[in-house]
Amino acid sequence: NAGVTQTPKFQVLKTGQSMTLQCAQDMNHEYMSWYRQDPGMGLRLIHYSVGAGITDQGEVPNGYNVSRSTTEDFPLRLLSAAPSQTSVYFCASSYSVRGQGNTIYFGEGSWLTVV
Amino acid sequence: GDSVTQMEGPVTLSEEAFLTINCTYTATGYPSLFWYVQYPGEGLQLLLKATKADDKGSNKGFEATYRKETTSFHLEKGSVQVSDSAVYFCALSEGTGRRALTFGSGTRLQVQP
Repeated sequence: NAGVTQTPKFQVLKTGQSMTLQCAQDMNHEYMSWYRQDPGMGLRLIHYSVGAGITDQGEVPNGYNVSRSTTEDFPLRLLSAAPSQTSVYFCASSYSVRGQGNTIYFGEGSWLTVV
Repeated sequence: GDSVTQMEGPVTLSEEAFLTINCTYTATGYPSLFWYVQYPGEGLQLLLKATKADDKGSNKGFEATYRKETTSFHLEKGSVQVSDSAVYFCALSEGTGRRALTFGSGTRLQVQP
């Protein structure tokens, strides 16, 4: 998982608390995204960004905010944590080369439990 | 919208057996196709990819061929090892616009000695 760093790796939150999952990449990729992984459902896109200052919603954006003030950083904020947000979160960054498609790198994941 | 369908697991094989994990997709454009592997307690690693029809991706003895006519990207390995035990995800990316990955639900592979 070269170049995409996520923190923290593990976190336990109480219902109603807020927190931020950090994601940073040092590969100068324009595109970054956040996914959540739940048992039997694969990974689902939460939010994504095609460049600094630009963000958009994915499949499951409710309860999450993002911002992209720099190319390197793409934090994910949980505004008021709920047990349904217990999941494993993955940050990804990617670049695209004509004729070679996308190459997508994932961080190592953040295991979040909301009690 | 785009979707990916994988065979349900777990798939249990003996060491040195032949592996096939089926993957089919629906997409509006001409996506790139990927296989990712996740070992217990770890993140996702790109196993192989293919960017256009008839391309074959290969890595670590695994292969998959992009079949546009059958919209499939089946993963194969001729002789599995215990160390191949993991969850395998098929995914696609349209390559333009949001360039997000659409994942299948994953297939757990268990290889017994």
